[in-house]
Amino acid sequence: DTGVSQDPRHKITKRGQNVTFRCDPISEHNRLYWYRQTLGQGPEFLTYFQNEAQLEKSRLLSDRFSAERPKGSFSTLEIQRTEQGDSAMYLCASSLGGSREQYFGPGTRLTVT
Amino acid sequence: GENVEQHPSTLSVQEGDSAVIKCTYSDSASNYFPWYKQELGKGPQLIIDIRSNVGEKKDQRIAVTLNKTAKHFSLHITETQPEDSAVYFCAASKSLVKTSYDKVIFGPGTSLSVIP
Repeated sequence: DTGVSQDPRHKITKRGQNVTFRCDPISEHNRLYWYRQTLGQGPEFLTYFQNEAQLEKSRLLSDRFSAERPKGSFSTLEIQRTEQGDSAMYLCASSLGGSREQYFGPGTRLTVT
Repeated sequence: GENVEQHPSTLSVQEGDSAVIKCTYSDSASNYFPWYKQELGKGPQLIIDIRSNVGEKKDQRIAVTLNKTAKHFSLHITETQPEDSAVYFCAASKSLVKTSYDKVIFGPGTSLSVIP
């Protein structure tokens, strides 16, 4: 399968713990996006990378959230000191420079208890 | 602020009938309008898109129309099948030149049920 992959698919954690998610984009896609989706809503933008550079961040992205894409390939999203309000589906999407189409991964469902 | 509205929120149709989902957007700078289908437990899947210089686009049983003046766009599915049952999201996008970032605003979704 050459699509976007995300790991883990599900994560249950206790409030206050740190969690990290991984996204592997489609090979050669230089643009990578993170979104958050809550029940009954469309995805909301969190952050954007072009190659290894993080060029855009949403105001939704509090200082407890950090994202990296160290070699311009896979990306990680870390949430520190999780809160119950962080429970959501975290989606990763990738696209090729010059193309508008964004292709989504299956998402990581986070539950904070 | 930038906003995309989508109607209806739920839609039930008999197999073989047509389904229509309508969206409106607020940002006149939007120039790319993708539609996504999301099945339970999966990520959104791009099914069709339309650019602002085109009024209509068709791909087999699905078609999209765009009215730039009214800031309306719609998805039409003909000859619906049970496997069309899913949540559909419309979106409006514009590119930020400085960062080449495609800013995408999604609608809240339409849950489509196709009854066999």
